[in-house]
Amino acid sequence: AQTVTQSQPEMSVQEAETVTLSCTYDTSESNYYLFWYKQPPSRQMILVIRQEAYKQQNATENRFSVNFQKAAKSFSLKISDSQLGDTAMYFCAFMKPSASGGSNYKLTFGKGTLLTVNP
Amino acid sequence: DGGITQSPKYLFRKEGQNVTLSCEQNLNHDAMYWYRQDPGQGLRLIYYSQIVNDFQKGDIAEGYSVSREKKESFPLTVTSAQKNPTAFYLCASSIRGEGSTEAFFGQGTRLTVV
Repeated sequence: AQTVTQSQPEMSVQEAETVTLSCTYDTSESNYYLFWYKQPPSRQMILVIRQEAYKQQNATENRFSVNFQKAAKSFSLKISDSQLGDTAMYFCAFMKPSASGGSNYKLTFGKGTLLTVNP
Repeated sequence: DGGITQSPKYLFRKEGQNVTLSCEQNLNHDAMYWYRQDPGQGLRLIYYSQIVNDFQKGDIAEGYSVSREKKESFPLTVTSAQKNPTAFYLCASSIRGEGSTEAFFGQGTRLTVV
C-alpha cells in the first residue's frame, strides 16, 4: 500500500481564486511530520509548509494553509489568492520513524499534483 | 552559504557502466536521502542515512549503492544492474527537531543512458 496518496494528478485554478490539494497517508505511528513541497519548472524543491503530528493547530504560511485531520490521516493544502507563480508540481511528504528503528526517519513522497494557475 | 550541492547537473552513461552521483551538504545535517523522479511517479526513495557508516534501503534500492563515510557526503552509485537508470535524481538532507524539521534539496542530476 502506498504510504502517501495524492488523488489529484492535475488541477487548475483561476488567478486570485482558492484551490485545495488533497493528501492522505498511512501510518500507525503517533509521532511524525508532514510537509508540502513545491517543484516549479526549474525542478528545485521548495518547502511550502510543514506540520508536526503532535500539534493540533493547523499550520499556516501567508497564503498557504493546511487542514490536518489526524484521525482521518488527511493533510490537505489550501492556496488562497492563487498567483501565476504558484504554477508548479506540489508534493505531499511524510516523515516517520523507520521500521529499522534507531534514529532513522524515512521521508516518503506522494506522486504529486500538477497545479496550473490560469490568468 | 550553507546548502546542498549535487554534481554533475547532467550525466551521460553508456550501458553496462557504473556511474557515481555526488551529493555534498554543509548544513551539518545528520540525515541524507536519495530519490529518483520519473514522470507520474513522484519521488521514490532509493537510500537514506541517518549517521556516518550506516544507511537504509528505500523503496527502490535494487541496482544502486551508497556510502556515508563523512557526514557531509552521500554519493550514489548507479550500477549496471539498474535496468532503467535514465531519470532525474534528487539528493536531500534533513534536520529533525521541534520547529525545525525540514528537508533541503539539491538541484538534481539528470542521468541519461546512451
